[in-house]
Amino acid sequence: ILNVEQSPQSLHVQEGDSTNFTCSFPSSNFYALHWYRWETAKSPEALFVMTLNGDEKKKGRISATLNTKEGYSYLYIKGSQPEDSATYLCAPISGSARQLTFGSGTQLTVLP
Amino acid sequence: NAGVTQTPKFQVLKTGQSMTLQCAQDMNHEYMSWYRQDPGMGLRLIHYSVGAGITDQGEVPNGYNVSRSTTEDFPLRLLSAAPSQTSVYFCASSPGTGGRGEKLFFGSGTQLSVL
Repeated sequence: ILNVEQSPQSLHVQEGDSTNFTCSFPSSNFYALHWYRWETAKSPEALFVMTLNGDEKKKGRISATLNTKEGYSYLYIKGSQPEDSATYLCAPISGSARQLTFGSGTQLTVLP
Repeated sequence: NAGVTQTPKFQVLKTGQSMTLQCAQDMNHEYMSWYRQDPGMGLRLIHYSVGAGITDQGEVPNGYNVSRSTTEDFPLRLLSAAPSQTSVYFCASSPGTGGRGEKLFFGSGTQLSVL
């Protein structure tokens, strides 16, 4: 079983704050790293898929970086809004796994 | 735009009963998969398929069967339901396994309770 760690487990921020989360995964045999956003009572939706070391992706106020050599990815949200409240999941394919392995997620609550 | 369609949305079973969770996609995706989501845990892979006629086990396959007779459909069968199978189940599809940048598209989920 692949060890995928996401931190923090949960986070409360004020509207307008910027924040970031971490996803750690085995650095060996890396193929890809996915980020998904999961709102309550909805289905997970893909934010980013990154495959190359040093990749940086951006979608509006949300961006992500990838370091495959040390096995981590950061997700940044600039100027958080209440609608950003969701659980953010990362899922790598690396190490001994040949399928996506999801972390347990970071639950973000943005307070108005 | 149907995408990935899962049925039913909710189901209550008694221990020992069997049922099938249905999943269909209209995007001509080769890859389909089933996940379960339990409190405090990430999505865990039950079974997956890389194409019609091909299935394989994921992380937590015990108690579940799958088949893939067509590209569109990937049903998940519980042969003899147990309380430990109480969970939320998600079906997902993708053009590939995700290793080359293909993202997953998820269905709306099935909330299953086994009494």
